[in-house]
Amino acid sequence: DSGVTQTPKHLITATGQRVTLRCSPRSGDLSVYWYQQSLDQGLQFLIQYYNGEERAKGNILERFSAQQFPDLHSELNLSSLELGDSALYFCASSVGGSGGAGFFGPGTRLTVL
Amino acid sequence: EDKVVQSPLSLVVHEGDTVTLNCSYEVTNFRSLLWYKQEKKAPTFLFMLTSSGIEKKSGRLSSILDKKELFSILNITATQTGDSAIYLCAVETGNQFYFGTGTSLTVIP
Repeated sequence: DSGVTQTPKHLITATGQRVTLRCSPRSGDLSVYWYQQSLDQGLQFLIQYYNGEERAKGNILERFSAQQFPDLHSELNLSSLELGDSALYFCASSVGGSGGAGFFGPGTRLTVL
Repeated sequence: EDKVVQSPLSLVVHEGDTVTLNCSYEVTNFRSLLWYKQEKKAPTFLFMLTSSGIEKKSGRLSSILDKKELFSILNITATQTGDSAIYLCAVETGNQFYFGTGTSLTVIP
């Protein structure tokens, strides 16, 4: 158990819908990272927040947005869902603002039908 | 275009063998290189490398970075079946992380 929690574990929804994925970092970690992993594209970095501020941005679609709240938990919002958004979404956390994510959560599996 | 390339794509060895996994990169504004192990769940952090020529070691695993030739290797000695996994390499730049497609390692008893 990495100490990073993600909810829900599984999510099944229809195209065009909007979902919110939630992540709680390890106690003491200020950075939260979001990643998408699909079979055809591998692991892709989406976005990083550090202490409430956006720190780095990867290949995140405009239909996706994220934020980190004062209690350091983070939410990833995915809207106008398409079939291709079906993937495993990981959240990870670390203490600092750089150096990558040390601890990954168990992931949320999103299925868009 | 920034990219990270891992080789080989797949590797099958017998227990006790030593393996070397490769990661080459072409990025602007390199900050660090990271290795992860992924079994049937979330990736597990192995190493972070920022300086050339300094070996990082953890048990039977070790890794080194060559910033001149733009590559890193991950060595696993005396492999065990529990080492079977996908090994991912990622490079951190100023504002992005780029992942390779991974090397799938299978260790046969």
